[in-house]
Amino acid sequence: AQRVTQPEKLLSVFKGAPVELKCNYSYSGSPELFWYVQYSRQRLQLLLRHISRESIKGFTADLNKGETSFHLKKPFAQEEDSAMYYCALSRNRDDKIIFGKGTRLHILP
Amino acid sequence: ETGVTQSPTHLIKTRGQQVTLRCSSQSGHNTVSWYQQALGQGPQFIFQYYREEENGRGNFPPRFSGLQFPNYSSELNVNALELDDSALYLCASCWGGRASTDTQYFGPGTRLTVL
Repeated sequence: AQRVTQPEKLLSVFKGAPVELKCNYSYSGSPELFWYVQYSRQRLQLLLRHISRESIKGFTADLNKGETSFHLKKPFAQEEDSAMYYCALSRNRDDKIIFGKGTRLHILP
Repeated sequence: ETGVTQSPTHLIKTRGQQVTLRCSSQSGHNTVSWYQQALGQGPQFIFQYYREEENGRGNFPPRFSGLQFPNYSSELNVNALELDDSALYLCASCWGGRASTDTQYFGPGTRLTVL
C-alpha cells in the first residue's frame, strides 16, 4: 500500500539555521508529491509540489526516486516558518492524495 | 472571491446517530474533496466529487456518503456514528477535477465529537 512517512513529530531549529523536514514514501509508480503547511490558526494550504520545481518562501524540495524521499529544505530558518508541515503523495492513476502524519516545526529565537 | 466555508464549526453526536456536514467550495471551483483528520494524524482522503459525480474514494465504509450539488457545494453524510468517527472533517475545493494537479483550497473544518 502507498504510504508517506514523516519520521519527526517535532523539529526545533534555531532562527537562521538550515531546516530539513524529512519525507519518505512507498509507491511503485511515479508519484506526484506535495508539501502542505498549516500555520497557527490558519487553514491547511499547499506549499509546493515537486512537478512545479518551485521555491516558495525560500523552501525547496527535491524528489529522490532512488531513496524514495521528498525532503523539504530551507537554508535559513525564519520565525514565521513555525507551523505544521505535511508531506503528501498522489498516484497517477487516481486522484487520491495520501498525507503523512506531519512534522511540527518550531523555530527558536 | 469567497473561500471554502464549512458548517457547522463544531458538532456533538452520540453513537448510532447520523450527521450531515456541509461545504461551500471556493467560487469557480467544481471539485470537492473530503478528508478526515484524527487527532495527531494527517488528513485521510474520504472521497472526491467532480461535477456532481463521485470520482474517487478512499478506504472508508459505505456509511460515509456524499453529494455535490449543481452549485458545487457538497455534503458529507455519516450514518451509524461510531466513537472512532470523532475527528476534524476537512473539505477542499479546486477547479478541473484533479486535486493532484490543481491547487486545493481547504476549509476551516468541522470538529465532530461522538459520545
